[in-house]
Amino acid sequence: QVQLVQSGAEVKKPGSSVKISCKASGGAFSTYTLAWVRQAPGQGLEWMGGIIPYFTTPTYAQSFQGRVSINTDDSKTTIYLELRGLRYDDTAMYFCAGAVTGKEYFQYWGQGALVTVSS
Amino acid sequence: QSALTQPASVSGSPGQSITISCTGTRNNVGSYSLVSWYQQHPGRAPKLLIYEVTKRPSGLSNRFSGSKSGNVASLTISGLRSEDEADYFCCSYAGSNIYVFGSGTKVTVL
Repeated sequence: QVQLVQSGAEVKKPGSSVKISCKASGGAFSTYTLAWVRQAPGQGLEWMGGIIPYFTTPTYAQSFQGRVSINTDDSKTTIYLELRGLRYDDTAMYFCAGAVTGKEYFQYWGQGALVTVSS
Repeated sequence: QSALTQPASVSGSPGQSITISCTGTRNNVGSYSLVSWYQQHPGRAPKLLIYEVTKRPSGLSNRFSGSKSGNVASLTISGLRSEDEADYFCCSYAGSNIYVFGSGTKVTVL
């Protein structure tokens, strides 16, 4: 059973960057597609981007192109999300989500990390 | 990719059936039988309910079922229970390793 454990809450100032992590355990890291999904307060889910460890370059949602980076540390079985140029409307819960590679649905979810952008 | 369109809220009485629609385009829902549905209770992470339009994960109640016609996917909850009160989101593969979620539907059990 795959478990995804995320880093803790962050408070950042507008214009700064945030980097959050998600460690996977309980499965072969290379056999999963990992993604980041965010949820602003009271809003819906928004897919930000994803990556298959070891194999592919990341794919990003167009709305985040140029501001987001997703990468993995395969030795640590950890995926990272960096979001730059933070704005107030980036305040949200950020979830990592996992899918078995080749399966286009997210079977595994991290607990979420709240990122608050505040001056 | 714009968010898939879902009704903001749906309600029903215990024991009734309700259906939540998820409207996409020919670039996502209409092109792929890769629609999934997620249930989210307040303060919790989403939970997979349905994948590949109609399939349920092992152990999930058969009260949840999915379907698709053209650009519209649907989730039906039969025998509505109080614990079904939650937010529900659809998600579709959109090609090129891109996904798009729905706007979400709040289900209220009257």
